[in-house]
Amino acid sequence: EVQLVESGGGLIQPGGSLRLSCAVSKFTVSANSWSWVRQAPGKGLEWISLIYNVGNTYYADSVKGRFTISRDNSKNTLYLQMNSLRVEDTAIYYCARALIPDALWGSSALSYFDHWGRGTLVAVST
Amino acid sequence: EVLLTQSPGTLSFSPGERATLSCRASQSVRSYLAWYQQKPGQAPRLLIYGASYRATGIPDRFSGSGSGTDFTLTISRLEPEDFAVYYCQQYGSSSPDTFGQGTKVEIK
Repeated sequence: EVQLVESGGGLIQPGGSLRLSCAVSKFTVSANSWSWVRQAPGKGLEWISLIYNVGNTYYADSVKGRFTISRDNSKNTLYLQMNSLRVEDTAIYYCARALIPDALWGSSALSYFDHWGRGTLVAVST
Repeated sequence: EVLLTQSPGTLSFSPGERATLSCRASQSVRSYLAWYQQKPGQAPRLLIYGASYRATGIPDRFSGSGSGTDFTLTISRLEPEDFAVYYCQQYGSSSPDTFGQGTKVEIK
């Protein structure tokens, strides 16, 4: 069974930093593309970042310059480094495998998501 | 910038009824549209991609249709486990908001 398990969330003050991890089993992280999607309490879904299997990275404007997506192939793990956190970053953060249609591949973050983790809660508050 | 509109925000049905959910894009996204189901406390689950292709393991009572700007998710006979929130997502055009705001399907 495919498993994506996020960790690293918690309560953090505005301006602080957190690193989220997503441990992946059954899929090879380096052979697939991955995204982080978040959901503020009681709200809808917001895509925030994608990393292609070849390493290209993309970010939503809301997190660009503050968040960094990366992976450790030896650990088969995806990461999201979050700096300069704001109250509005409070959300459940999900990692998900991103599938990119052939016609869209390589030039954008356009993708859909077929496997999701259960999420980790990040709360930014004083 | 593409905006996705799911309306209404809530639909009420009895088990066994047919449910039709709407998702409208402000400009064409071709057939690059997905549907997800989310239950309380759970991650979203992919139901439909490419507007009409069922994801692996999804029951055939779920079907998707449409292209361009108007899309529909149909649940032919609602089972108790189908009461949830449904999101559409476009991946045909770069835009800050790729997901719709969701439609809650509740028990009448």
